[in-house]
This record gives sequence, structure tokens and C-alpha cells, in this order.
Amino acid sequence: KNEVEQSPQNLTAQEGEFITINCSYSVGISALHWLQQHPGGGIVSLFMLSSGKKKHGRLIATINIQEKHSSLHITASHPRDSAVYICAVKGGSEKLVFGKGTKLTVNP
Amino acid sequence: DAGVIQSPRHEVTEMGQEVTLRCKPISGHDYLFWYRQTMMRGLELLIYFNNNVPIDDSGMPEDRFSAKMPNASFSTLKIQPSEPRDSAVYFCASSLQNQETQYFGPGTRLLVL
Repeated sequence: KNEVEQSPQNLTAQEGEFITINCSYSVGISALHWLQQHPGGGIVSLFMLSSGKKKHGRLIATINIQEKHSSLHITASHPRDSAVYICAVKGGSEKLVFGKGTKLTVNP
Repeated sequence: DAGVIQSPRHEVTEMGQEVTLRCKPISGHDYLFWYRQTMMRGLELLIYFNNNVPIDDSGMPEDRFSAKMPNASFSTLKIQPSEPRDSAVYFCASSLQNQETQYFGPGTRLLVL
């Protein structure tokens, strides 16, 4: 079993829909990252969380340390949000362990 | 700042050849990471450095892989000899200090024939 599990693997939505991507992990962590990988391959860090919630524009990330679970929400989704979203966790060192990613397609 | 710079962006080589990937981290960052991404395994950490010193190389697949960081502004990942199963996208990332955001380079797409 992978240490980091994401769901769903693939997600298709219509423009304007509210989107949720989930991440569960099985180890103790010091931080959790959400990354976005564009169709061209570039990777951008969206959030780093160790507790609570963070918001940036239409993106919201939450984490529940007790339940070992994080969610990434996108409000008013847009075709430009189409990308692969990757969850990664950090334990006691700087090493990141990655989920397999969620491929999001937002249709106009 | 120009961000993390990687070269080459694309590399096609034949099995058995030596491949050298290069990375220039963001100036002032003291952590540097090498990752590999494949369809089957997703993103995996190969090795990371702190202040030019290798800290964790447990992700380096085998002795054919080696990484160096001779100074704070340059790192290399070398594969010798290369094999078709090494075909992947190799990312370099850097960060400022413990638990800070990692900034990724554009990646090097390697194809070993």
C-alpha cells in the first residue's frame, strides 16, 4: 500500500463546478504539500500545510492531522485549472513522498 | 530570479551511453533535490543535498546513478551506463530551509533507446 493515496485518479468537470480532490496518508508527517503539474510538464507548488486551512484565490486546502487526510478544493472551476494535482507528505526529514496524482479536466 | 534552471531540456541517447543532467538552484537556497517521474511510479525522490552535502540518497536506484554538488549553484546527476528503463523526466528542485516550499525546475526529458 502506498503511503500516500489520492482520489479520484481522474476527474472531469464542467466549467463553474466545485471540485474536491482527496489525499490520505498513513505515516506521521510534519507537512503536506499540494502541487500542480501543467499539461506541459512544469510543476508548481500550490500549498504547504501542517494544520488547518489555507486559501489562495479559488483554491482552498485543508488538512486533518488526526484523520491523516487533506483535501484540495477548487471553486468556480475553469478550463485553465486542467492539470494533474499531486499530494506529497514530509516526515521527519526533507524527503517528500508523493501520491500518484489526480488528473483534472475542466470542460468549457 | 530565473528560478531553477535545468539542462538539457531533452536528451535522447543510446543504451550504454553516459548521460549528465545539470541543475542550477535558486540563488540562496540551501536544499537541492533530484526527482524522477515515470508513468508507472509517479514522482520519486532520488537524492537531496543540504549545503552541498548529500543527505539522503536512498532513492538512487543503483550504482549506475551518481549525483554531485560541487558548489551552491550547481549540481549534476549522472547515469553511466544508461539503460532504456532510465527513460523518464528528471526534475531538480530547491528550497530555502526546513519545511519551506520547493521550487521545481522545468525538468529534463530523457529517452534511452
